[in-house]
Amino acid sequence: AQSVTQLDSHVSVSEGTPVLLRCNYSSSYSPSLFWYVQHPNKGLQLLLKYTSAATLVKGINGFEAEFKKSETSFHLTKPSAHMSDAAEYFCVVSETRYGQNFVFGPGTRLSVLP
Amino acid sequence: NAGVTQTPKFQVLKTGQSMTLQCAQDMNHNSMYWYRQDPGMGLRLIYYSASEGTTDKGEVPNGYNVSRLNKREFSLRLESAAPSQTSVYFCASRSKANSNQPQHFGDGTRLSIL
Repeated sequence: AQSVTQLDSHVSVSEGTPVLLRCNYSSSYSPSLFWYVQHPNKGLQLLLKYTSAATLVKGINGFEAEFKKSETSFHLTKPSAHMSDAAEYFCVVSETRYGQNFVFGPGTRLSVLP
Repeated sequence: NAGVTQTPKFQVLKTGQSMTLQCAQDMNHNSMYWYRQDPGMGLRLIYYSASEGTTDKGEVPNGYNVSRLNKREFSLRLESAAPSQTSVYFCASRSKANSNQPQHFGDGTRLSIL
């Protein structure tokens, strides 16, 4: 069975400093992995996806994530945080053989301090 | 470029009332999904429809029913609302269930049951 762990429920950074949001997954098959962002009172927006091509994936708004199979990790990073990055971030794993299984992590709330 | 549209955006019900949440997508996607989002629990799958004419239970189906009206529309019905169903409901679509493609989300329906 698939599962996702987001190691931090809340991360706080200062504007202009790097962002690291951690995600570990469990999957018995070749997974697809996604990061979504949710701003307050909004729906979920896709940031980036990994689907077995390049292990370093670039997304929107300067975010990127690296797929590390040996560590079963898919951490999200950004070199320099902006105030507009404050939101909830969800890591998601999906196995193509069970396409309807789109398993969400519990989320990490990112706060950006001025 | 509407994507996934949910109606209504907000609703307050009394215990025991019934209600249907509507969802429509204009991306010609085969698969559609209903989730609920509760604090600290990420998103949990209620029902999904892998393709037109099929529906299946997700993780938390009790108290809900769904109808895949056509390829575009997928509705969620609460027959007798309970306070435990107070939540934010998201509809999503995907090109097809058994794929490595992401899901696309609507902006959500915020439902309160008194």
